[in-house]
Amino acid sequence: DADVTQTPRNRITKTGKRIMLECSQTKGHDRMYWYRQDPGLGLQLIYYSFDVKDINKGEISDGYSVSRQAQAKFSLSLESAIPNQTALYFCATSGLTGEGSYNEQFFGPGTRLTVL
Amino acid sequence: GQQVMQIPQYQHVQEGEDFTTYCNSSTTLSNIQWYKQRPGGHPVFLIQLVKSGEVKKQKRLTFQFGEAKKNSSLHITATQTTDVGTYFCAGPRNNAGNMLTFGGGTRLMVKP
Repeated sequence: DADVTQTPRNRITKTGKRIMLECSQTKGHDRMYWYRQDPGLGLQLIYYSFDVKDINKGEISDGYSVSRQAQAKFSLSLESAIPNQTALYFCATSGLTGEGSYNEQFFGPGTRLTVL
Repeated sequence: GQQVMQIPQYQHVQEGEDFTTYCNSSTTLSNIQWYKQRPGGHPVFLIQLVKSGEVKKQKRLTFQFGEAKKNSSLHITATQTTDVGTYFCAGPRNNAGNMLTFGGGTRLMVKP
């Protein structure tokens, strides 16, 4: 979805390096998420944020940190990358519907990260 | 913790054959969502089911939510090569807002 962008799209790095993945959205949504996708394991939630300054751990947050600098931006950092963090990373957003609930999530195009 | 499981993990079909993927939750769900991810793409929302026993159709796709709201299915009639991709179900994490727990997905491959 062009309304959710991720940079970089591909990244190869070495063990021990610090890496930052960026996510921006123009949908005006307050909720943003970072997921990791490994083959056959679906999508695992790393961190999520319901608003600026709100940060919450997901199911696999160890080794990762995030920053919600503005409503439209949510970045994911790997403080010291390791090979088993090689995966496809997706950012997603969601916003209130007309009925006052949050429904579908909108995903960015993904970042393919390889840690050597 | 809450688990959402999908079967099968992979499915090869001949174009024109039907396809079904099944989703089962360890807990009762307030709703269930289905997403499709094309090869090399990102997950895209297809539909949400809310009511017990609900059935919704989108052209050749039929989605069903079980009576106990713990299982769901997606059935594609007469598959086409454009149906290729991975289909994920997702349920609210411990029924907490729209935090989602995703199933492992079913990868559909269609032979022309």
